[in-house]
Amino acid sequence: DGGITQSPKYLFRKEGQNVTLSCEQNLNHDAMYWYRQDPGQGLRLIYYSQIVNDFQKGDIAEGYSVSREKKESFPLTVTSAQKNPTAFYLCASSKRLAGVKYNEQFFGPGTRLTVL
Amino acid sequence: GESVGLHLPTLSVQEGDNSIINCAYSNSASDYFIWYKQESGKGPQFIIDIRSNMDKRQGQRVTVLLNKTVKHLSLQIAATQPGDSAVYFCAEKTGTASKLTFGTGTRLQVML
Repeated sequence: DGGITQSPKYLFRKEGQNVTLSCEQNLNHDAMYWYRQDPGQGLRLIYYSQIVNDFQKGDIAEGYSVSREKKESFPLTVTSAQKNPTAFYLCASSKRLAGVKYNEQFFGPGTRLTVL
Repeated sequence: GESVGLHLPTLSVQEGDNSIINCAYSNSASDYFIWYKQESGKGPQFIIDIRSNMDKRQGQRVTVLLNKTVKHLSLQIAATQPGDSAVYFCAEKTGTASKLTFGTGTRLQVML
């Protein structure tokens, strides 16, 4: 899992509540990402950030929000507007983003969110 | 009934045999590809990458082959071990685009 931590590993929430997932990295990476993974499917990009105080929507940003106040941290909030929030959420980071062709992403261990 | 998406393609191999996992990528302009391994309940781990100016790249027990003509990527695992059991994803990136696009994955089951 490299130097990326996600907490908690399992999270349960009632329908209609907002919930924030934590992601911290000590790799000194500039770029950070949030993905959602549903059973038997690939990863879908929710949001990404290339630099502090900047972030862009991915393919499935509706119902989610993020912030990037520190280089090391990229928390994801799953809002009540997200219609199907139960999923496995993965955070990733990479060294640089802008103008770079070849930069692998390193993933955290994931948070499994279940909305009851 | 269950969604088709719940059923990943599965490759079953005997311990010690070689495994070949295939991936058809979507964008002919993609020029960087990565294979990831994901064990149950964990995040994906980087295995090996390849740039589009190469046809083949070898790592420790793994080889990635790239056929740009048919937009096909394969991961070969030599002497497959029980610890290789996982879901394997290919991912592609195009130029300086900001994101990776992931395939749906293949489950590798190693039989003892």
